[in-house]
Amino acid sequence: EPEVTQTPSHQVTQMGQEVILRCVPISNHLYFYWYRQILGQKVEFLVSFYNNEISEKSEIFDDQFSVERPDGSNFTLKIRSTKLEDSAMYFCAGGKGANQPQHFGDGTRLSIL
Amino acid sequence: RKEVEQDPGPFNVPEGATVAFNCTYSNSASQSFFWYRQDCRKEPKLLMSVYSSGNEDGRFTAQLNRASQYISLLIRDSKLSDSATYLCVVNPDTGRRALTFGSGTRLQVQP
Repeated sequence: EPEVTQTPSHQVTQMGQEVILRCVPISNHLYFYWYRQILGQKVEFLVSFYNNEISEKSEIFDDQFSVERPDGSNFTLKIRSTKLEDSAMYFCAGGKGANQPQHFGDGTRLSIL
Repeated sequence: RKEVEQDPGPFNVPEGATVAFNCTYSNSASQSFFWYRQDCRKEPKLLMSVYSSGNEDGRFTAQLNRASQYISLLIRDSKLSDSATYLCVVNPDTGRRALTFGSGTRLQVQP
């Protein structure tokens, strides 16, 4: 069964540094998403991406965040200058259609020191 | 009012028991509904979509009540492996693709 894969599984970074989280979506998915989950809290939407552009973003997704899919394969989330409160699990997800179920990768645990 | 609201539990049940979870959502225009399960520190995994007519998948039955804006999940013959957090998930608007998650209901099935 195809899977969404994410790397790295755990990233430890100093506050103020840039991080890039990577995702390889399932090949026949057209919609791509990033979510995050702070420890002990619910999963929160960050951004959706379709047809090579952002289609929707949440209030969390400020100017420090960016996404791209440069080669049609990897889907990346970049945080330009990390803050302590960016520490969370980051999940990539994909889906075939706008209202279809989304399938999640196994996440990247981001720890900001 | 929270967009998606669930009883956090925990629900502690013996193996073989039947257990039901409810979830309410605030946006009457919501279009798509799902149950996901999440094991500790793992990714959410799709359990089932929820349709207006109700649907069943083995030991799991999901129901949607649009008039009352609630969704339910029934688990029959609970197994130890069912122990997890069950997430009620809603796509709140046809114009949006973002999923809105409830905080989850924790289930612990005991031998």
